[in-house]
Amino acid sequence: SQQGEEDPQALSIQEGENATMNCSYKTSINNLQWYRQNSGRGLVHLILIRSNEREKHSGRLRVTLDTSKKSSSLLITASRAADTASYFCATDASGNEKLTFGTGTRLTIIP
Amino acid sequence: DTGVSQNPRHKITKRGQNVTFRCDPISEHNRLYWYRQTLGQGPEFLTYFQNEAQLEKSRLLSDRFSAERPKGSFSTLEIQRTEQGDSAMYLCASSLKGAGKGHGYTFGSGTRLTVV
Repeated sequence: SQQGEEDPQALSIQEGENATMNCSYKTSINNLQWYRQNSGRGLVHLILIRSNEREKHSGRLRVTLDTSKKSSSLLITASRAADTASYFCATDASGNEKLTFGTGTRLTIIP
Repeated sequence: DTGVSQNPRHKITKRGQNVTFRCDPISEHNRLYWYRQTLGQGPEFLTYFQNEAQLEKSRLLSDRFSAERPKGSFSTLEIQRTEQGDSAMYLCASSLKGAGKGHGYTFGSGTRLTVV
């Protein structure tokens, strides 16, 4: 079963613009992670935010977490064609580091 | 270390046949996970190991599915009497429990199974 749902399901923007994706989840969590998946490939870990953190940055990525709303957002600034991929949030609900993934957002960057 | 390796990359099999996939994790990682992903969906958890112990199995893992991790190194996932509904990408990931909490999982490139 999927713990999270990403919104929107698909997003197309012009290169250079910012992309924002949202994730909602159902149960309390220990941490939330974001992954990227290029077509037909495995997933790549992008960033992890713990339940007691509200915001985290890594390069062009900014992640926020609102545990009261059970939601997270991933912002990619100054998008590039290479950012074209599917993005998934994943939650560690039990603290035992087993992840449950969301349904993903398909991001397309238009050159 | 070249990361997580999965073999084969692609497998086409006839319905009713048995298939086996292999995953070689990052050598120092004690956790190994199997997920299944169908088109347009996120990965769904199947099972995971800590060293050689299988700690949890999903309800998705019917009795036709079995996974092993002998000696806590590589892992195999076997599907017996394959059905068309088994067609999916099978993903393996590894991690280092505790010490690796800031790093997430490292995934392999997956094995794409097509049952005809």
